[in-house]
Amino acid sequence: EPEVTQTPSHQVTQMGQEVILRCVPISNHLYFYWYRQILGQKVEFLVSFYNNEISEKSEIFDDQFSVERPDGSNFTLKIRSTKLEDSAMYFCAIPPASGRGNEQFFGPGTRLTVL
Amino acid sequence: AQSVSQHNHHVILSEAASLELGCNYSYGGTVNLFWYVQYPGQHLQLLLKYFSGDPLVKGIKGFEAEFIKSKFSFNLRKPSVQWSDTAEYFCAVNARRDDKIIFGKGTRLHILP
Repeated sequence: EPEVTQTPSHQVTQMGQEVILRCVPISNHLYFYWYRQILGQKVEFLVSFYNNEISEKSEIFDDQFSVERPDGSNFTLKIRSTKLEDSAMYFCAIPPASGRGNEQFFGPGTRLTVL
Repeated sequence: AQSVSQHNHHVILSEAASLELGCNYSYGGTVNLFWYVQYPGQHLQLLLKYFSGDPLVKGIKGFEAEFIKSKFSFNLRKPSVQWSDTAEYFCAVNARRDDKIIFGKGTRLHILP
């Protein structure tokens, strides 16, 4: 099972501030995915990213969100102007090392708290 | 659009009891099916998956699930649960043509020692 780490584990921010969440797969991956889980609710898909481009995004992933691969290894999810309702666990996921696969392995998550 | 329905939000069992967690999905095409588990304080882990072939799939820690296409169901079972099975269990689906995984709301399982 491929490994992925996420930083920070917990981020507290003021409403309106920008946050950047990071995902670092242990080995090179071209595909990665972001999901979020608001407390007490189900895990929801945000965006999939392949080879430096967004391949699919949900209606949740509006203009305040962006993803990129800044240095060829880790992946980031940026929220430009956070809102109270952005408070959630954010999970990065990657497919098997062999490439794209419908199976995904999840990172430990970043707990984002917006005050 | 795909959706996943988990029948039970919270299940409490004693050790050695048998477990069955219900899951139904809604999608007209070919799907892949998953059960993920989240132990307290840990991240989501893949418990088992169904892509094709034998509809009865076996996963880790003695869990199994059966895909019944006619019922759009993928119920999770374990014949004898242990205290360490206390966790939240998520049924999930994705369409073969898609990348995104759609999750159910989860079932919180509490095993009494």
